[in-house]
Amino acid sequence: DAGVIQSPRHEVTEMGQEVTLRCKPISGHDYLFWYRQTMMRGLELLIYFNNNVPIDDSGMPEDRFSAKMPNASFSTLKIQPSEPRDSAVYFCASSARHGTDTQYFGPGTRLTVL
Amino acid sequence: SQKIEQNSEALNIQEGKTATLTCNYTNYSPAYLQWYRQDPGRGPVFLLLIRENEKEKRKERLKVTFDTTLKQSLFHITASQPADSATYLCALSGSSNTGKLIFGQGTTLQVKP
Repeated sequence: DAGVIQSPRHEVTEMGQEVTLRCKPISGHDYLFWYRQTMMRGLELLIYFNNNVPIDDSGMPEDRFSAKMPNASFSTLKIQPSEPRDSAVYFCASSARHGTDTQYFGPGTRLTVL
Repeated sequence: SQKIEQNSEALNIQEGKTATLTCNYTNYSPAYLQWYRQDPGRGPVFLLLIRENEKEKRKERLKVTFDTTLKQSLFHITASQPADSATYLCALSGSSNTGKLIFGQGTTLQVKP
């Protein structure tokens, strides 16, 4: 398996624009997680899905953020409108089962909002 | 509120020595704890998992301890090598198996040859 795939790897946009980040989890994994990492706040969980259903979105900072998982092999994280404070590295991770299973992280998308 | 603390200052050690990293937590009763390694520009990579009823876990040169009374985990790398230089993150589960992890800020380890 190619591992978790994220695109784009880098995104530079202007404030107010819509940004869509994409993730393909490892085939057969039931759980998908979206994280945001900054120097100040570290790695924060934004939302996670189980079998394509959002389970916990308490980490989503505000209504400008939304995430979807239309099928088992694809998820998106959308920011609309984007703001400079959204600049961060966004990671997608997947795991096979709940509980103690390892999370496998993608390479991340580095987002810069000017 | 729940809080996880890792040494924010970088840890610098000489090659061949044992590196010890600390993870403390408060207002938590995690069912298990995981350690991840993160290299610059990459996503975290899983290293070890230890459950609340386990005191110690080993994997090659790595050793993790878990003291639920002290609310602390220690992560040891013996016979450290320059290739071990990276940021190490501890991650705690909730008290139930939801799959959700809360990560610490990480400690950067620099092993000098």
